[in-house]
Amino acid sequence: SQKIEQNSEALNIQEGKTATLTCNYTNYSPAYLQWYRQDPGRGPVFLLLIRENEKEKRKERLKVTFDTTLKQSLFHITASQPADSATYLCALDMGRRALTFGSGTRLQVQP
Amino acid sequence: EAQVTQNPRYLITVTGKKLTVTCSQNMNHEYMSWYRQDPGLGLRQIYYSMNVEVTDKGDVPEGYKVSRKEKRNFPLILESPSPNQTSLYFCASSPFSDGSWDQPQHFGDGTRLSIL
Repeated sequence: SQKIEQNSEALNIQEGKTATLTCNYTNYSPAYLQWYRQDPGRGPVFLLLIRENEKEKRKERLKVTFDTTLKQSLFHITASQPADSATYLCALDMGRRALTFGSGTRLQVQP
Repeated sequence: EAQVTQNPRYLITVTGKKLTVTCSQNMNHEYMSWYRQDPGLGLRQIYYSMNVEVTDKGDVPEGYKVSRKEKRNFPLILESPSPNQTSLYFCASSPFSDGSWDQPQHFGDGTRLSIL
């Protein structure tokens, strides 16, 4: 069956460092992969989308890579700030009329 | 302001008492969806709708009903709620007009349901 795994439930890093979050998937080759941010008690907010024919996408301090051979996406936040603390979700187009979400990685940036 | 609005935000109720959670979007999106979010299980899709009068089951539809009589509204109905439906629920909408996921989903702020 299709499966999405996001690395470790929680990731703690020091302010100013680069945070790297991982999204691995199996048994399918999605055409699109999306990343969302979710704050406690709020709905997910869209951050970035990357297509299967794109290796990398950037937006300000955010960078997403998509390796269809490894079946993996990496999400980087450079020069991280305490305000970046949140849960980050990856979501994949798994060939259904729905996006399938990973369970998320909780990022904590320490000042 | 473009938004997805859910009501109520919080609800505590008892087993068997029918309830409806409303969802409305003002972006003229074709696609709307309901998710539930539980610790360790992530977002799981309950139902979705590609357009007015077109709905289909997601991954966890048991115990839920939906309707799509107007483009902007997509209510979630629990006919006979049970404690295992205690969860955080999100409504989302998306253009998805060409059948591809190259557009984001816009989420509401969630409804926390507690079924006693």
